[in-house]
This record gives sequence, C-alpha cells and structure tokens, in this order.
Amino acid sequence: EAQVTQNPRYLITVTGKKLTVTCSQNMNHEYMSWYRQDPGLGLRQIYYSMNVEVTDKGDVPEGYKVSRKEKRNFPLILESPSPNQTSLYFCASSPTRMHTNGNIQYFGAGTRLSVL
Amino acid sequence: EDQVTQSPEALRLQEGESSSLNCSYTVSGLRGLFWYRQDPGKGPEFLFTLYSAGEEKEKERLKATLTKKESFLHITAPKPEDSATYLCAVLIYNYGQNFVFGPGTRLSVLP
Repeated sequence: EAQVTQNPRYLITVTGKKLTVTCSQNMNHEYMSWYRQDPGLGLRQIYYSMNVEVTDKGDVPEGYKVSRKEKRNFPLILESPSPNQTSLYFCASSPTRMHTNGNIQYFGAGTRLSVL
Repeated sequence: EDQVTQSPEALRLQEGESSSLNCSYTVSGLRGLFWYRQDPGKGPEFLFTLYSAGEEKEKERLKATLTKKESFLHITAPKPEDSATYLCAVLIYNYGQNFVFGPGTRLSVLP
C-alpha cells in the first residue's frame, strides 16, 4: 500500500530536549515536505526536499532541521524544542516537482507534538 | 507578501443544499492551485489541481474553478459524508517548491 508514515503520532516533551520525528514514504517519490498546522493559521511549510541531499527552507524554518540522506526518509529534527513549537506536524511527498500537471502530494497522518 | 484566504470560515448545509467555498490569493506568481480535503485526525487528501485561469475540474459532487484572483469549490447536492475541512493551497512561482495554504473552510452537512 502506498503511504507516508510518520512516527511518533503523539509526543510530549520538555523544553530543550532534542527530538526527531521520522517520515518515510514507500512510493519512490523525489519531493518531500514538512508542514505544521496551527488553529487559525492553516498549514505552513517548514522545509522541503526536491531530492536526496537537496533541501530548502519553507515559510517557518526557524528552530527546525531536516536531512535527506535516503530518498525514502525525511526526518524533522528539533534540536532545542520550545513551547511555541507545540503543533500538529505533517509530512508529505509527491513523485516530482509540484507544478508538473497531474502531480499529487500525499500526506502522512500527522504527529501531534506538545512541548512543556 | 504571499497570502491565501478562504471564506467562509465555517459552513453548515442541509443535505442536498448546494453551495460554494471561496479561496482568494495574492501571490507573486501562481504555478498551481490545489484543493485538499481534511478529515479530523487525518492528513489532507488531494482533490484537485488547477493551473490556469478558466480551468475547471470535477469529481463526483465537487467542481473546482479558477480565475486570476480566486478559486471556487462548488458542492452540488452535498451529503453528510462531504463534511470535512477543505483547504486550498497555492504553489508560488520561485525557484523552489513553496506552498502557501489557506486556513480552511470547515463544512458540516446535516442529514
């Protein structure tokens, strides 16, 4: 089954304790992206990757890191989480660049993070 | 500043009562406009992509249209299972693949 898998689904942590949210896709997609979703603000793009070793900033990259060492994995790293990073996080992937006609972005089920 | 707004914020319809959701955008350059459906506790699910003004796409009871400044998602004779939050997103014209999402419209269809 084609899917984007995020882990963990729920995470409660404390300020300053480094954490990683994993994202894996089994569709051999080139493009992957991380978003956060907050009430009233909608989805905001954090980072995206157009291929292995190619990453770029979205709208809200501060406080986050990513890496793309393998095509299937795109982990999101919070080196020193703060309470304002409490949010619902989504990973997404698509076969290629999004402006290609017919391209579809597939989303994971989300990771709800609480930073105390 | 690139911006996407959606209206109304929430909409309650009776089953069979057709209506439209609006997505307005002010962006530096549009490469594509996307509609998604999001159910509670789940990730967004792709519905449509529109690339140029005048383009229309249809799927079951949904029809998406695009002008130079806005997009509409028309819902014809909705059913309770159409209840969800509908998101629109714009892929902006730059070197990268930057998406700007609207805040969404929460649709409730009552039986």
